[in-house]
Amino acid sequence: EVQLVESGGDLVQPGGSLRLSCAASGFTFSSYWMHWVRQGPGKGLVWVSRINTDGSSTRYAGSVKGRFTISRDNAKNTLYLQMNSLRAEDTAVYYCVRSGLDAFDVWGQGTMVTVSS
Amino acid sequence: SYELTQPPSVSVSPGQTASITCSGDKLGNKYASWYQQKPGQSPVVVIYQDTKRPSGIPERFSGSNSGNTATLTISGTQAMDEADYYCQAWDNSTAVFGGGTRLTVL
Repeated sequence: EVQLVESGGDLVQPGGSLRLSCAASGFTFSSYWMHWVRQGPGKGLVWVSRINTDGSSTRYAGSVKGRFTISRDNAKNTLYLQMNSLRAEDTAVYYCVRSGLDAFDVWGQGTMVTVSS
Repeated sequence: SYELTQPPSVSVSPGQTASITCSGDKLGNKYASWYQQKPGQSPVVVIYQDTKRPSGIPERFSGSNSGNTATLTISGTQAMDEADYYCQAWDNSTAVFGGGTRLTVL
């Protein structure tokens, strides 16, 4: 079964850091571009970042550029998101997502990040 | 930055056809995808590459994309189709989502 399982979400103070992980299984992880998409409480979906198959190319949404870093370990079938200088507006459910055929075809269950003092 | 615009809400009676639009500059020149999200669940792709349905998605879901507008059409809408729907396109290898449309079946 194709599966993405996120972990690492937590309550963190403004200015703090957090690292999210996403464990992939059931498919050849190294063959797919991967993304993080977030959804604030009661809000819509917002694309955060993407990484290509070997990790040599990354892109970020303007709101997180310079604060977040996406990376992957193909040997461990794991995607990461390092989040620094967190702000209240970063509070959201963070989804790990696979892209294929020009769409987001597999989604994880999400992990909640709350930034609050 | 590229923007996609959706109506906040659409209502439809059971068995009728629901249409949800997504507007963006020259959207017809890009591939559009549509996602369904039910409360407390992760999104699920229902249409990709403008018109294609993933396996397991009912035939009542269809899509089109031309000019500045992509449209998701649900024929014979059922109560189980009540959900939030998001359109999505790619712009310079970054993804853009519409604001979402809540479909109410009443």
